[in-house]
Amino acid sequence: GAVVSQHPSWVICKSGTSVKIECRSLDFQATTMFWYRQFPKQSLMLMATSNEGSKATYEQGVEKDKFLINHASLTLSTLTVTSAHPEDSSFYICSATRGGSGTEAFFGQGTRLTVV
Amino acid sequence: GENVEQHPSTLSVQEGDSAVIKCTYSDSASNYFPWYKQELGKRPQLIIDIRSNVGEKKDQRIAVTLNKTAKHFSLHITETQPEDSAVYFCAASRNQAGTALIFGKGTTLSVSS
Repeated sequence: GAVVSQHPSWVICKSGTSVKIECRSLDFQATTMFWYRQFPKQSLMLMATSNEGSKATYEQGVEKDKFLINHASLTLSTLTVTSAHPEDSSFYICSATRGGSGTEAFFGQGTRLTVV
Repeated sequence: GENVEQHPSTLSVQEGDSAVIKCTYSDSASNYFPWYKQELGKRPQLIIDIRSNVGEKKDQRIAVTLNKTAKHFSLHITETQPEDSAVYFCAASRNQAGTALIFGKGTTLSVSS
């Protein structure tokens, strides 16, 4: 099966600092990856669609200058939370689909971000 | 864009009973409908999915039904067990690469023995 790996699994950072989260497709190439945010006891909310070699597409209400997405290769997308604030504390999770095999999504293990 | 509504938000059943979770979607172009089980702090796990060319799919104790005309789909779990207790999410998307899944708000299923 397809494997998506996300790193780190958890991170604690101070307010005002930036944090980078990596999402890798280990055994397939992903031209598109997706970033979701999940607050406690809530659903997965799509933040942005990451496209290899081009700019990400952000959902309404998501600040593109705060949540920087880079998809420099077919196997790696990164999400950088800039100038983090306590309200950015959440579970961030990425997913990817394999082109040509339908839209079954493969999820990373998620990153628990805590901003103190 | 797509909007997915999910009901109920919580569901408590006795072991051995059946559980049904229902979802509706808004985008008539959506034709891929997966269901996920998520345990606390873990990634969602696909338990069953259905595409619009079929009306029902079954995998052991789990089944999904789809009514494209009414734009709703349901998850049916029979003979529930305590280990079925988790949060379940439905989702919808267009069946093409590069299309994001849009999730319902989730249902917390509790199965008591």
